Amino acid sequence: TQLLEQSPQFLSIQEGENLTVYCNSSSVFSSLQWYRQEPGEGPVLLVTVVTGGEVKKLKRLTFQFGDARKDSSLHITAAQPGDTGLYLCAGGRTGSARQLTFGSGTQLTVLP
Amino acid sequence: DTAVSQTPKYLVTQMGNDKSIKCEQNLGHDTMYWYKQDSKKFLKIMFSYNNKELIINETVPNRFSPKSPDKAHLNLHINSLELGDSAVYFCASSNNRASWDTQYFGPGTRLTVL
Repeated sequence: TQLLEQSPQFLSIQEGENLTVYCNSSSVFSSLQWYRQEPGEGPVLLVTVVTGGEVKKLKRLTFQFGDARKDSSLHITAAQPGDTGLYLCAGGRTGSARQLTFGSGTQLTVLP
Repeated sequence: DTAVSQTPKYLVTQMGNDKSIKCEQNLGHDTMYWYKQDSKKFLKIMFSYNNKELIINETVPNRFSPKSPDKAHLNLHINSLELGDSAVYFCASSNNRASWDTQYFGPGTRLTVL
């Protein structure tokens, strides 16, 4: 059972365009992280959000955690070829085993 | 300095063989993980160790056995390799004091079982 669904699965856009990636779940998470993975490398953390409704900005990237802490979005303004990569959301839960549940991933390609 | 390192980077082997993947972290973290990323890029946790103690053991065949000789190392041994084991295996580490602690991933080991 996939707890975190990302959409779209694949996205190919031209440089300069805006885009939004969604991460949805029926479960509540105590935190939501976004990672970016480039070919041949491991995922690298972009941002962590922990409060429902929280919005964080990282240069041209805007991240939002849903009010009910079940969903999140990543918006990129004026995408650049360097933004190309696999974007993964990951939900965290408290408890003795604080494991992350990763989403299904969004492969973004920004064409020059 | 490499924070989380894995060896080997690539591993090609025949079905039925036994192989090991090694992982080391120099971040001083107390928790280490093994993940499996399939051909569809889905990343799924396999094991987690905290201070050398197993704390997460997802539904993984018992052919997979993690071993943590110390806090900085977490190795993965796989017996009787099967075709379905082909994937990229990632090691990661974190402080794990909160659900939002950053996990630092290694570069991955691409395992191909022929």
